[in-house]
Amino acid sequence: NAGVTQTPKFRILKIGQSMTLQCTQDMNHNYMYWYRQDPGMGLKLIYYSVGAGITDKGEVPNGYNVSRSTTEDFPLRLELAAPSQTSVYFCASSYSPGDHNYGYTFGSGTRLTVV
Amino acid sequence: QQPVQSPQAVILREGEDAVINCSSSKALYSVHWYRQKHGEAPIFLMILLKGGEQKGHDKISASFNEKKQQSSLYLTASQLSYSGTYFCGTEGGSQGNLIFGKGTKLSVKP
Repeated sequence: NAGVTQTPKFRILKIGQSMTLQCTQDMNHNYMYWYRQDPGMGLKLIYYSVGAGITDKGEVPNGYNVSRSTTEDFPLRLELAAPSQTSVYFCASSYSPGDHNYGYTFGSGTRLTVV
Repeated sequence: QQPVQSPQAVILREGEDAVINCSSSKALYSVHWYRQKHGEAPIFLMILLKGGEQKGHDKISASFNEKKQQSSLYLTASQLSYSGTYFCGTEGGSQGNLIFGKGTKLSVKP
């Protein structure tokens, strides 16, 4: 049982390049999320999904896109990378909000630097 | 609206107690607490639902005051392993999305 798996762990991008951050979970969670974490700022929600085929914007969606074709996978796409996107990105998943015995399970993160 | 955590940082000796507070300007459906060690992912500690319940396991417990839109995390007889940054995440509706505070850095010294 791997939980939430993110790849890659580290990446350096040049300004204007694009990339996809991969996220997959094996817990059959309906809900999945992408957060970015900047020093001293906490975690900011980029996009979330409540199930396959359904996605919605969070607090800071500009410059990002997502898709959810399966329950397991929730990739985050960065188009035209900018230095402001230098951050640590966390993918997370959870059961439905009605099940309050469990919280979010986070992946180990992707540290992205845009130069 | 990002919840406000206080204090921003606290240093303890082993065995001492600490309280971390989380307050929101919006009505809350639930509050989550997570701990993150340096370079690692946040780890879920507990959820509290509206209704003013209190939860705990081992020497870490929390309370949730729905009327005041506040939650507090209590760490008693702290251990070195308690060191890390603690985040509260607040849920304002049924979507399940959490808005996280900026975190409280806890350092426990021998």
